[in-house]
Amino acid sequence: SAVISQKPSRDICQRGTSLTIQCQVDSQVTMMFWYRQQPGQSLTLIATANQGSEATYESGFVIDKFPISRPNLTFSTLTVSNMSPEDSSIYLCSVESFATGELFFGEGSRLTVL
Amino acid sequence: GQSLEQPSEVTAVEGAIVQINCTYQTSGFYGLSWYQQHDGGAPTFLSYNALDGLEETGRFSSFLSRSDSYGYLLLQELQMKDSASYFCAVRTGDSSYKLIFGSGTRLLVRP
Repeated sequence: SAVISQKPSRDICQRGTSLTIQCQVDSQVTMMFWYRQQPGQSLTLIATANQGSEATYESGFVIDKFPISRPNLTFSTLTVSNMSPEDSSIYLCSVESFATGELFFGEGSRLTVL
Repeated sequence: GQSLEQPSEVTAVEGAIVQINCTYQTSGFYGLSWYQQHDGGAPTFLSYNALDGLEETGRFSSFLSRSDSYGYLLLQELQMKDSASYFCAVRTGDSSYKLIFGSGTRLLVRP
């Protein structure tokens, strides 16, 4: 299993500002995944962060809006840039167990943009 | 496109059995997973089916039929704490091997 710590757990932000979410894992992992979950909705993959290379973004998500860093095998950050109310959501960090295919999630960062 | 369909809401009584269905249409298939998410919490893994058939883990079982692109999660002896959202997820066959999640089924267990 993996223990994932995310911060902040929640924040209220002003339109036009940017916020960086941190994700720390208790073990070394090759890939880290960033998901978005809008209230009452499903999970949508934003990007996959690999250590030592640029993140791979899913359709509808771009690096300028969601820059990602992956400085080492246990840590990643996701920045939500130039926020608008539509960015109000829960952002989740996750890692995968290659043995079982199971995804482990952090507790999420709940962002509200005013 | 890629899609996973599941009922939006299911209600059942404590002690009963409930089945949550999931049909999928994806480009490639490498297994069907189920995740549970309580309000305000993170999703947690329940089960994974790569091959056809039934997998049992305690009160929960999961079934897969690849020929029908269909699976279900069966919850037995329902307890109040089972009230949560349940998501099916498919590992697709594109280069990223990402998980695509269904829209989720909200289960309400009544006394």
